[in-house]
Amino acid sequence: KAGVTQTPRYLIKTRGQQVTLSCSPISGHRSVSWYQQTPGQGLQFLFEYFSETQRNKGNFPGRFSGRQFSNSRSEMNVSTLELGDSALYLCASSLFPTGSSQPQHFGDGTRLSIL
Amino acid sequence: GESVGLHLPTLSVQEGDNSIINCAYSNSASDYFIWYKQESGKGPQFIIDIRSNMDKRQGQRVTVLLNKTVKHLSLQIAATQPGDSAVYFCAEVTGNQFYFGTGTSLTVIP
Repeated sequence: KAGVTQTPRYLIKTRGQQVTLSCSPISGHRSVSWYQQTPGQGLQFLFEYFSETQRNKGNFPGRFSGRQFSNSRSEMNVSTLELGDSALYLCASSLFPTGSSQPQHFGDGTRLSIL
Repeated sequence: GESVGLHLPTLSVQEGDNSIINCAYSNSASDYFIWYKQESGKGPQFIIDIRSNMDKRQGQRVTVLLNKTVKHLSLQIAATQPGDSAVYFCAEVTGNQFYFGTGTSLTVIP
């Protein structure tokens, strides 16, 4: 069974640009969550999608947005990139939404660097 | 092995020794806890989980202990191997959100 797949693995952008990251969950998983990981802040929750609906959102500005498609694949978009957006962006999937006592399974992330 | 909390982000152990990684959580309403292992260049990998109605759960070479009285979670790794070198995170689930600790970096000395 394939794991969570994130593309691209690495991305370099400049300030002011926008970026779209993609996540394919484990087959059959309908919940997808996104996290930002930085050395200083650890794993910070961005948002969770289940059945194409955003269920929960973390404390990030509106420049961060996402969506989920009918096949459960998800994309995350960041507009007007800032230097502080440099981070590892992780996607995690699970069968059911958070709160159902099931672990999330993570992809290997997209390393985003802003110049 | 030594036991550390989140205030001590690194732990070094001799190969073959037991490791204990500790985690303090904040919300007494948290009902589900997970330990993850993250190797360099990879995403967090699920190790073991425990529900709040349990105080101990064992896996292969790993044991998680939950003390709800003091809101403390620990991960014990038996016979630590070089492949266990990684950053270990605890996560608590409260309501519909995961909250992650900052992690403990485990180094296994051959």
